[in-house]
Amino acid sequence: GQNIDQPTEMTATEGAIVQINCTYQTSGFNGLFWYQQHAGEAPTFLSYNVLDGLEEKGRFSSFLSRSKGYSYLLLKELQMKDSASYLCAVYSGYSTLTFGKGTMLLVSP
Amino acid sequence: GAVVSQHPSWVICKSGTSVKIECRSLDFQATTMFWYRQFPKQSLMLMATSNEGSKATYEQGVEKDKFLINHASLTLSTLTVTSAHPEDSSFYICSARDRGDSYEQYFGPGTRLTVT
Repeated sequence: GQNIDQPTEMTATEGAIVQINCTYQTSGFNGLFWYQQHAGEAPTFLSYNVLDGLEEKGRFSSFLSRSKGYSYLLLKELQMKDSASYLCAVYSGYSTLTFGKGTMLLVSP
Repeated sequence: GAVVSQHPSWVICKSGTSVKIECRSLDFQATTMFWYRQFPKQSLMLMATSNEGSKATYEQGVEKDKFLINHASLTLSTLTVTSAHPEDSSFYICSARDRGDSYEQYFGPGTRLTVT
């Protein structure tokens, strides 16, 4: 079976740093995606990790530990527009993406 | 590049009627397209995977006779919700995988279906 866990909600203030964790237990693993989704819109791609370690892309970084079944998304210099749901998704099998329930991040002034 | 469109963006229909949603890859050929459903404050749930020219593969619990999927060309897949009921009201999102890409899926903007 597939099980992906993320916190339901997080709050942070503008300019701060926030880390969103994701743990997974899946049958098969080819990589892990992070997506951002604003209400009523489709997910937009943020990052993709295949190997262990940290991938940095501007204000966003993503970390993966395959042995621990663990990933996190790090958002720096938070902006109000970063308020959104962040989805962790495991890529397994042939093109199969399994999504976590998402973490709703609220950034306050 | 890698743009996926959906039509319509929202639709309201009466219970018992059928609704067709189109998903198009605008600037690439998509051998595989995926249909997801998302209820409020829930995650995306994969409904089915469709490959061009072949029958769709449905996830467990998804009725293939109710959710008809047709992937007639490399740029178009359609989802028809037949005999819609209020519980089918949801946000339907498609994604497409470029034939030259090994892993990334490109998402459409979604279709909000409301069944009254």
